[in-house]
Formats: sequence, structure tokens, C-alpha cells
Amino acid sequence: DQQVKQNSPSLSVQEGRISILNCDYTNSMFDYFLWYKKYPAEGPTFLISISSIKDKNEDGRFTVFLNKSAKHLSLHIVPSQPGDSAVYFCAASDTTGGYQKVTFGIGTKLQVIP
Amino acid sequence: NAGVMQNPRHLVRRRGQEARLRCSPMKGHSHVYWYRQLPEEGLKFMVYLQKENIIDESGMPKERFSAEFPKEGPSILRIQQVVRGDSAAYFCASSPILSLPSEAFFGQGTRLTVV
Repeated sequence: DQQVKQNSPSLSVQEGRISILNCDYTNSMFDYFLWYKKYPAEGPTFLISISSIKDKNEDGRFTVFLNKSAKHLSLHIVPSQPGDSAVYFCAASDTTGGYQKVTFGIGTKLQVIP
Repeated sequence: NAGVMQNPRHLVRRRGQEARLRCSPMKGHSHVYWYRQLPEEGLKFMVYLQKENIIDESGMPKERFSAEFPKEGPSILRIQQVVRGDSAAYFCASSPILSLPSEAFFGQGTRLTVV
């Protein structure tokens, strides 16, 4: 039972254009959402997060949008740069339990073409 | 300020042997989480530990897998009698007490290969 779904295994984008990575979730108890970036042979690195009380969070070139009614979130990267090429994991957490067990999607491999 | 340290980075074991994976959390972090990434899959939660306590092991296979986080020293994930299906990347994360998920930092992982 995949509670966090990333349906696009890969995405190619031209440098300077916008990258949009999508994620859907099924568990209504999730109240905190994160995006991680992962390079080969390294651990995931936290990129940006959003609480369920918000619908948008922006940090530099990265913006995360949350649509609670649709149980959908997306990560926008603009402008995309070659260094952004990596695997991006969407993740979600139910923080009401007092600690965070994070559920990950299977990742989307982004390739930014120079 | 060292990050989360995992060792070894690569581990090769024959079927039936034991694998021991170590995780030293960041300084000041008292919570440790273990995740497993099978080929072509996302990271799957295995276990959450605080010093000397297992808080949630709902993601751990019922047999052959165990984890500990002693008062002194690193957290250890032990896999007994390894099988080919245990081949995966095992990631550890640590966080401070009473933190948001975004405050957990991951190590570089241990890639276990069972031959």
C-alpha cells in the first residue's frame, strides 16, 4: 500500500526552464510534507517542507504547493540548473503521534539538460 | 561539526552471515531512524530509536533484524543469516529531541550486497 506516490519515474528539462515534480498521497493523517534531493551514493538531503496549514512555501528557486483537497503536492524549480539533476523524493509525515515517521515516495529522477 | 556517520559504506556478506551496520548520529541528536531502500524503490521506514529505547519498530522484518541504540556508542542495525533479498541501501537519520521531520539529517548510507 503506497501511501505516497510519485508517478513519474523520470523527468528531463532544459536548463533555465521550470521543473515540476508531482506527488500524491492517500493518508489523510499526513500533516507535514517534505521534498528531499538525493545524489548517487549519498544520503537524501532535505530540500523544502510544508505544513498542512499552508498551501505554498517558497525558498529561493524552490516552491512547494499543497492541495489538501486533492491530496496532491508539487515541487517547482525555476530556473532549473544542471546541478539540480538528482533523484527527488516526496515524503510525508503524521506528526500528531509526537514523533515523525516519514513515508517516502519512490522518487523522480530529474535531468536538467544544459 | 560532523554529520551523521554510517559505516561501513559498502558491505559484502555471503548468505547466512551476519551484517552489522553502524550509525553515529550528529552531535546533540538523541533520536535515530533507520530506513531501507531496495532497488527501484523509495526509502522504507524500519525503526525509530532513542537512547536505550526502541520507540517504533513497525517497519522491521519480524525475523533476523534487530536494532539498538546504546547509552554509549553508535546505533547498530543487525541482520542475522542474511539472504539475497536483504541487499539494499540502508540509511540512518538522526534528529534532535522534539524536532520537525525537516530537522532530521541522513547519513550517506551503507550498501549491503549479499552474495
